[in-house]
Amino acid sequence: AQSVTQPDIHITVSEGASLELRCNYSYGATPYLFWYVQSPGQGLQLLLKYFSGDTLVQGIKGFEAEFKRSQSSFNLRKPSVHWSDAAEYFCAVGAVTGGGNKLTFGTGTQLKVEL
Amino acid sequence: NAGVTQTPKFQVLKTGQSMTLQCAQDMNHEYMSWYRQDPGMGLRLIHYSVGAGITDQGEVPNGYNVSRSTTEDFPLRLLSAAPSQTSVYFCASRPDGSNSPLHFGNGTRLTVT
Repeated sequence: AQSVTQPDIHITVSEGASLELRCNYSYGATPYLFWYVQSPGQGLQLLLKYFSGDTLVQGIKGFEAEFKRSQSSFNLRKPSVHWSDAAEYFCAVGAVTGGGNKLTFGTGTQLKVEL
Repeated sequence: NAGVTQTPKFQVLKTGQSMTLQCAQDMNHEYMSWYRQDPGMGLRLIHYSVGAGITDQGEVPNGYNVSRSTTEDFPLRLLSAAPSQTSVYFCASRPDGSNSPLHFGNGTRLTVT
């Protein structure tokens, strides 16, 4: 079964600083990987996804993530954080096969942005 | 463009009461699912459905029932609520295909006293 680890529960960065949120996954085959963002009181919104091909994927709101198979990682990055980026971020991994594909989420990283 | 609609947004129940959380999507998605979100535990899959008439259990199905009589609707039933079911519940859907991203509703916050 697949699993996802987000080792940082809380991260605080200053506005304008760079950001990297860590995500490590465990899965025996090629995974589908996602990053979602959740603002307070809202559902989850897709930031970006990786299925295959180029290991550096671009998403919305200036975010990008890099898939590193050798490290089983899919870290999320942003060069310059804006105050509106404060939210909770979830990494998720999906199985490659099966109509009943189950998306497994990490426990989330809460991002605080200091002005 | 409604997407995934969940009702109600908030609900308070007493232990032992029953209720149904409603979920509807207007995107003609085959796959629908229910997650619960608890602090420090991320989102955990309760039940899912790959099409009308087909449902299956996820990671934490105990205490919950689902049915899928139409493509659009996927209600979640709590037959006898327990305080351990206090949580935020999210319904999500996606088109057929295991690599499509999920579209989430805005959640139902349930408190069981």
